[in-house]
Amino acid sequence: GENVEQHPSTLSVQEGDSAVIKCTYSDSASNYFPWYKQELGKRPQLIIDIRSNVGEKKDQRIAVTLNKTAKHFSLHITETQPEDSAVYFCAASKGNTPLVFGKGTRLSVIA
Amino acid sequence: KAGVTQTPRYLIKTRGQQVTLSCSPISGHRSVSWYQQTPGQGLQFLFEYFSETQRNKGNFPGRFSGRQFSNSRSEMNVSTLELGDSALYLCASSLAPAGAYNEQFFGPGTRLTVL
Repeated sequence: GENVEQHPSTLSVQEGDSAVIKCTYSDSASNYFPWYKQELGKRPQLIIDIRSNVGEKKDQRIAVTLNKTAKHFSLHITETQPEDSAVYFCAASKGNTPLVFGKGTRLSVIA
Repeated sequence: KAGVTQTPRYLIKTRGQQVTLSCSPISGHRSVSWYQQTPGQGLQFLFEYFSETQRNKGNFPGRFSGRQFSNSRSEMNVSTLELGDSALYLCASSLAPAGAYNEQFFGPGTRLTVL
């Protein structure tokens, strides 16, 4: 089955710097890659997703890139702010199969 | 629309007991998935129900079971609790079956502690 590896497990950045979180997946048939943000004590929420027919997607300060050949995708957050501090999860899925999540990255933005 | 709700929010049980958790999806959503979240392990998929049928099941022992009712509400049951079952149990709902590009909306979770 699908396996998703996520790195790093923790990340600290200064406010205003960029943060990058990387994920690799094993099943080349996977075609949907969402990213979820979970603030402390709160539920995970979808922040951005990408499908396999797209190489990059942006939404304000957040972007996701996908390299199907290498089977990896990344989350980029620019101009980080304290409210970006959270745990971020990547996931992968194909068609009608459940999402397989990475183990998460704890991002700390230091003011 | 009201979001996904889960009850109870917190639960303390002892080893050997059983527990039932409940999840009410967003109105109109027919898919409910359950996940176990533990520190360092991320979200591990338990099972998914769509229109009262179990569509997928994760790699968990048979002590973990679930069901879905005609109103799409779902319950999961864990029998013969073990210390390692202590975790946050999250459910998520979506309009269509999970994975088919359909956004999953998570509930707040039930924090289960097994003593």
